[in-house]
Amino acid sequence: AQTVTQSQPEMSVQEAETVTLSCTYDTSESNYYLFWYKQPPSRQMILVIRQEAYKQQNATENRFSVNFQKAAKSFSLKISDSQLGDTAMYFCAFSFGNEKLTFGTGTRLTIIP
Amino acid sequence: GAVVSQHPSRVICKSGTSVKIECRSLDFQATTMFWYRQFPKQSLMLMATSNEGSKATYEQGVEKDKFLINHASLTLSTLTVTSAHPEDSSFYICSAISSYTDTQYFGPGTRLTVL
Repeated sequence: AQTVTQSQPEMSVQEAETVTLSCTYDTSESNYYLFWYKQPPSRQMILVIRQEAYKQQNATENRFSVNFQKAAKSFSLKISDSQLGDTAMYFCAFSFGNEKLTFGTGTRLTIIP
Repeated sequence: GAVVSQHPSRVICKSGTSVKIECRSLDFQATTMFWYRQFPKQSLMLMATSNEGSKATYEQGVEKDKFLINHASLTLSTLTVTSAHPEDSSFYICSAISSYTDTQYFGPGTRLTVL
């Protein structure tokens, strides 16, 4: 079975700084998808970024980027120029595409004004 | 694009009654939808996978007779909590997969309170 581990239960950073959230996963398969979802206080789950395992290039979405290390099974999220609206729970997740997501336990990120 | 709606957003009911929650994909067709339950300060727990035109697949430990799922069209799945009890109080979230991107998009959630 696939597992996703987020080792940082909570993090905080000053506004405008850069923060990196860690995620490791375990699978014996070679083709899969990795995601970061954000859950703000409204509790709406919002897709932040996705990565296809067969792509070597790291995904980027504006201030959000990932460091995907397939051999190490690591998928960290970097948030640049952090903003107050980035305060949320962040979940790392894994799937085989058209199948269920396996979530990590989440990292609670607080951006300090 | 890729918007999922969920209705109602909040519901309060008496113990023993049934509650239906609707999940709709608004701008894409979804052959597969999922239902999750989330307890405070915890991650999402998958309850079941809903496939259009067929029976739902329930995760281990989830009572299929208590949590009835119907996926009658490519844009609508419903979760009915039957004979609800206070322990069923929780935050329920649905998601739908876009076949274009193999990505799950989530509804805004439903807070169920059973008195």
